[in-house]
Amino acid sequence: LQLQESGPGLVKPSETLSLTCTVSDDSIRSSGFYWGWVRQSPGKGLEWLGSIFYSGSTYYRPSLTSRLTIEIDPSNRQLSLKLRSVTAADTAVYFCARHGVAELRHFDSWGQGTLVTVSS
Amino acid sequence: SYALTQPPAVSVSPGQIATITCSGDKLEDKHVSWYQQRPGQSPVLVMYRDDTRPSGIPERFSGSNSGDTATLTISGTQAVDEADYYCQAWASSTLVFGGGTKLTVL
Repeated sequence: LQLQESGPGLVKPSETLSLTCTVSDDSIRSSGFYWGWVRQSPGKGLEWLGSIFYSGSTYYRPSLTSRLTIEIDPSNRQLSLKLRSVTAADTAVYFCARHGVAELRHFDSWGQGTLVTVSS
Repeated sequence: SYALTQPPAVSVSPGQIATITCSGDKLEDKHVSWYQQRPGQSPVLVMYRDDTRPSGIPERFSGSNSGDTATLTISGTQAVDEADYYCQAWASSTLVFGGGTKLTVL
């Protein structure tokens, strides 16, 4: 399995950060997995943002629910992230990753990550 | 919100045992995963469901979870094990990461 993030590397403050993750196989259609976004600010730790099921069911980090939307397009093997009203604090490497369901909610596959800088 | 606490740094000599802890309220009731992240790379899963090693992870990696503390143990630590390590759990309908531990092998 390979995951590949893509999108602009520079976003202006107050605008919307939009990223796409392309998945290499049909596990995106499986009921056995969720697809998540995790970010890492420079020099900092990992922060889970949200996850989506193949059906479109989502759950988000509580502090981001008002700004974050994650969508999925299994037919094109893609998921997307939209983070609105960004500030410099949203500057980070953004990873997409796959995790399981129920008690298997560990991330077993990760993309290489893409750096997004928020700056005017 | 649920929090996982890790020591910021751990040092170990080559060939010795490295122990990295992860603390959280009643953590033993949750399944803990561990990730290794080398500089400039994506995280790699090294342990899940507390003590299960994914395929391809060396046997020197082991895990446990009891009470409020989960532990990742690296036996016979090698220079290649120098990296940041993160614990992670599912709690209160969210995925939570610990702050990370920098393992130095010197």
